Amino acid sequence: SQKIEQNSEALNIQEGKTATLTCNYTNYSPAYLQWYRQDPGRGPVFLLLIRENEKEKRKERLKVTFDTTLKQSLFHITASQPADSATYLCALDLGDNNAGNMLTFGGGTRLMVKP
Amino acid sequence: DAGITQSPRHKVTETGTPVTLRCHQTENHRYMYWYRQDPGHGLRLIHYSYGVKDTDKGEVSDGYSVSRSKTEDFLLTLESATSSQTSVYFCAISLAGGETQYFGPGTRLLVL
Repeated sequence: SQKIEQNSEALNIQEGKTATLTCNYTNYSPAYLQWYRQDPGRGPVFLLLIRENEKEKRKERLKVTFDTTLKQSLFHITASQPADSATYLCALDLGDNNAGNMLTFGGGTRLMVKP
Repeated sequence: DAGITQSPRHKVTETGTPVTLRCHQTENHRYMYWYRQDPGHGLRLIHYSYGVKDTDKGEVSDGYSVSRSKTEDFLLTLESATSSQTSVYFCAISLAGGETQYFGPGTRLLVL
């Protein structure tokens, strides 16, 4: 069965530095991969989607890369701020069910940005 | 929370009682989902719906049933609640399967 792995350990970085989060997956070749942000007590919020034919995607201070050979996506936040502190989830489509593609979510990585 | 509401937001119930959680959307999205989120397990799909009266099981469907009689409403029922169903439940919607999902605020359920 397919599996998605994200660092379960919290990532602590200093304000202004670049945060890099990793999402690894096995046994599947997704057509695209998504990243979400989740704040405590709230539902996840969509950030970025990257397709298999895109190596990199940017949105403001966010950058996502997608290496289908390594089966890995990296999520970067440049010039990080304390307000970026949250849990970040990656998700990818299963592509194997009766009604169309479904998303499977990784366990998430908690990012703490210290002032 | 993109036109998605969940009710109740918090509930405490006793083992063996039936519980129904409601998800309501105003976005007219075709797909609706129920997830549970637990420490160490992340988000796990319980059931999903791809249209009115069209539903299917997810990864952790045992002990849960769903119904969708209108586009805007998706109900999750715990037939006989157990302590292992203590969790935070999230509803989500999307235009199509596998596409970007928009989540509700969650329901925190405690089964004593």
